[in-house]
Amino acid sequence: DGGITQSPKYLFRKEGQNVTLSCEQNLNHDAMYWYRQDPGQGLRLIYYSQIVNDFQKGDIAEGYSVSREKKESFPLTVTSAQKNPTAFYLCASSMRTGELAQHFGDGTRLSIL
Amino acid sequence: GNSVTQMEGPVTLSEEAFLTINCTYTATGYPSLFWYVQYPGEGLQLLLKATKADDKGSNKGFEATYRKETTSFHLEKGSVQVSDSAVYFCALEKAAGNKLTFGGGTRVLVKP
Repeated sequence: DGGITQSPKYLFRKEGQNVTLSCEQNLNHDAMYWYRQDPGQGLRLIYYSQIVNDFQKGDIAEGYSVSREKKESFPLTVTSAQKNPTAFYLCASSMRTGELAQHFGDGTRLSIL
Repeated sequence: GNSVTQMEGPVTLSEEAFLTINCTYTATGYPSLFWYVQYPGEGLQLLLKATKADDKGSNKGFEATYRKETTSFHLEKGSVQVSDSAVYFCALEKAAGNKLTFGGGTRVLVKP
């Protein structure tokens, strides 16, 4: 079945460490997105990519970095510069034309030790 | 810029009650509109969508009609079940592959 796989489901980070969250999709979608969700709140866009080797900052990009070397993969690195990284991170993908809806992974919950 | 406003929750209902979650939007042109549902500890699932004025999206007993005159996309279900307990997000998209703008989400709790 096609879908989006995020791993790991739970992730713990020590203060001062960088950590990378994985997102892989086999839907043949061109566009991919990273969102952050804090408890009881909506989703905020961190980064998005419309095409391989290109990506743009979203609303809250500071302290995060991404790469898009392959169409299927859009990893997110939470750097030590992100002072409040504890959150639920959601990856999504969509077509660039035609079907408009974004499809979401099951999320990664990041916590600071 | 684009924005989506949802009614604040939590909304607490008894089983078989009627559910309405209000959603209004601000956008230029003709955005596509979506409702997503998030069950505890999971990602978002697309519930329904509408791409032009007067379109009605429907799925799993839920319905929403794209009302351009009132810039609204209210979600309704005639008879809720305990399994409908979740957080519901209204969202808009201006162009295919473009960014989604989400509302803040509305938590719904259905009691037996």
